[in-house]
Amino acid sequence: GAVVSQHPSWVICKSGTSVKIECRSLDFQATTMFWYRQFPKQSLMLMATSNEGSKATYEQGVEKDKFLINHASLTLSTLTVTSAHPEDSSFYICSGKYSNQPQHFGDGTRLSIL
Amino acid sequence: QQQVKQSPQSLIVQKGGISIINCAYENTAFDYFPWYQQFPGKGPALLIAIRPDVSEKKEGRFTISFNKSAKQFSLHIMDSQPGDSATYFCAASINTDKLIFGTGTRLQVFP
Repeated sequence: GAVVSQHPSWVICKSGTSVKIECRSLDFQATTMFWYRQFPKQSLMLMATSNEGSKATYEQGVEKDKFLINHASLTLSTLTVTSAHPEDSSFYICSGKYSNQPQHFGDGTRLSIL
Repeated sequence: QQQVKQSPQSLIVQKGGISIINCAYENTAFDYFPWYQQFPGKGPALLIAIRPDVSEKKEGRFTISFNKSAKQFSLHIMDSQPGDSATYFCAASINTDKLIFGTGTRLQVFP
């Protein structure tokens, strides 16, 4: 149980375009979802927290206008990287949890901006 | 105060040996301490977690030891296997919310 699915698993796009990543909780209702970024051989850094139906809360230093997060339902959150540039290339990972239960992570999306 | 310090950065263990990874935290408000296992190209998977009201928790070959006064916790992997070769992250949070991750430990288990 507690499966989180992320799509796509890998995306390559040109600089200046926008990219949307989906995160779905398949067998539970995710009252809270989180988005993390992980650079190669580094740890996970929290970008933002979102509760269903509410605006996301962004961590310090994360541009909310660049990383748009939507959590419209209890099973779906999306992260849109707007006007992506090569420095946005990274491994983006979402997680979801129900109430005070542990967070369960998706398998990540490798984003490469050319 | 939000940092979680993890050591060692890398660890090489022979098959059948014990792998030990240590973490330390500063924020005494943290009340949830999970360990995650991550394989290359995959998301982290929850291995085991502990709350500060117990000093040890064991699940199969994995044990967490927790020292509240020292603000330290560690992961012990008994009878380490080549399939355990992965990167391990400790983390800490309040109420399973915003996880603060350690820097990670790359474990290699040789046959």
